[in-house]
This record gives sequence, C-alpha cells and structure tokens, in this order.
Amino acid sequence: ELKVEQNPLFLSMQEGKNYTIYCNYSTTSDRLYWYRQDPGKSLESLFVLLSNGAVKQEGRLMASLDTKARLSTLHITAAVHDLSATYFCAVFTPLTGANSKLTFGKGITLSVRP
Amino acid sequence: NAGVTQTPKFRVLKTGQSMTLLCAQDMNHEYMYWYRQDPGMGLRLIHYSVGEGTTAKGEVPDGYNVSRLKKQNFLLGLESAAPSQTSVYFCASSYSLNGPYEQYFGPGTRLTVT
Repeated sequence: ELKVEQNPLFLSMQEGKNYTIYCNYSTTSDRLYWYRQDPGKSLESLFVLLSNGAVKQEGRLMASLDTKARLSTLHITAAVHDLSATYFCAVFTPLTGANSKLTFGKGITLSVRP
Repeated sequence: NAGVTQTPKFRVLKTGQSMTLLCAQDMNHEYMYWYRQDPGMGLRLIHYSVGEGTTAKGEVPDGYNVSRLKKQNFLLGLESAAPSQTSVYFCASSYSLNGPYEQYFGPGTRLTVT
C-alpha cells in the first residue's frame, strides 16, 4: 500500500528566508501533485510533476520530483505572509484498467512570521 | 464556469439520520471523487467514478453510498449517520487521471453528526 509522508508537519518561517519541505512516498510512481489549502477553504492545484527530474516554478515556489529517491521537494524563496497555508502532496497510483487514484499526504502547515 | 460546486456547505445531523451530498461539475470531466478530510489525516478517498453510471470504492467506503446517474453530478449518501462521519467532505473532478490532469476540488461540505 502506498504511503505518502510529508515533513515537517508544521513549519514556522521567518519572512524573507528560504525553506524546503519534503514529500516522500513508498512505492514507484512517476506523477506527483502539489496542492495548497487556506484555512476553511478548498484545495488549489499548484504543480503537476510528471516525470523524474521534473521542475516547476511559480513565483516564490519551486517544486521538483526525484522518482528514483521517491521524493519531491517544495522550495520556498524569501517567504512572505501570503504563503501561509497548508500544502499537500499527492502521489498518483495506477490501478487496474482505467482506474487510478491519488494518495494524499497529511499536509504541511506553513506559517510565515514577520 | 462554476467549476465544482457542492451542496450543502454545512449540515448538522443527529445519529441515525440520513442525508445526501450533491456534487456538480461543469467541465465535462469523466472522473469524479469524494474525499473526507479530518484533522491530521490529510484527504482520504471514499468513493470515485470513472464515468456516468460507474462507481468504485476508495480507501474508506464503509457507511457511504454513491451514485453517478448524470455525468455532471456525483452524489454521496449517508444512510445512517454516525459521529465518526463528522468531517469535511470534498468533491473533486478530473478529465482523466491517465494523463497530466490534476483534480479540481469543490468548496467542501462541513458535516457534524451529534
């Protein structure tokens, strides 16, 4: 059974500094998604990583995927308050036939302080 | 486009009562999903559908039933609500998972069972 682990589960960040958060998974997959969730809100898609070595950047966030290490990282450059949210990674698992599913990690809550 | 909508947004039930949550999407997506989100647990898949008239069990299907009579709608039913079903329920849809397509989430339904 696929397990998806995110760490740390909570991170207090100082404005202007750089940070990296991690998503590890236990079985082979070549597709990984990052989502953002603001308190009391829905999930918003941030990145879709489709192959080994994939790197995507949007503003202060950069995500990468290493399928051999079964690891994705989300790097935050010069943290700002607007980045405070919970970030989920989700790993794609192909099932039989046309079925497949995403398995979500428990999420990492980021809080940016002045 | 409204994207993915959910009805109702909030609901309080007594133990043993029944209810149906409605999810609708206007993106012509084939795949639809129901998740529950509990504190510290991430998102867990309840049931999903790969097309009109089809449904399948996810990770935590017990106590729930679903139907997909129309492509744009996916209903989640609780026949006899239990306090353990207190949660936030999210519906999602995607064009396909056998491609780069991410899931798009609805705003959520907050359900409390007393």
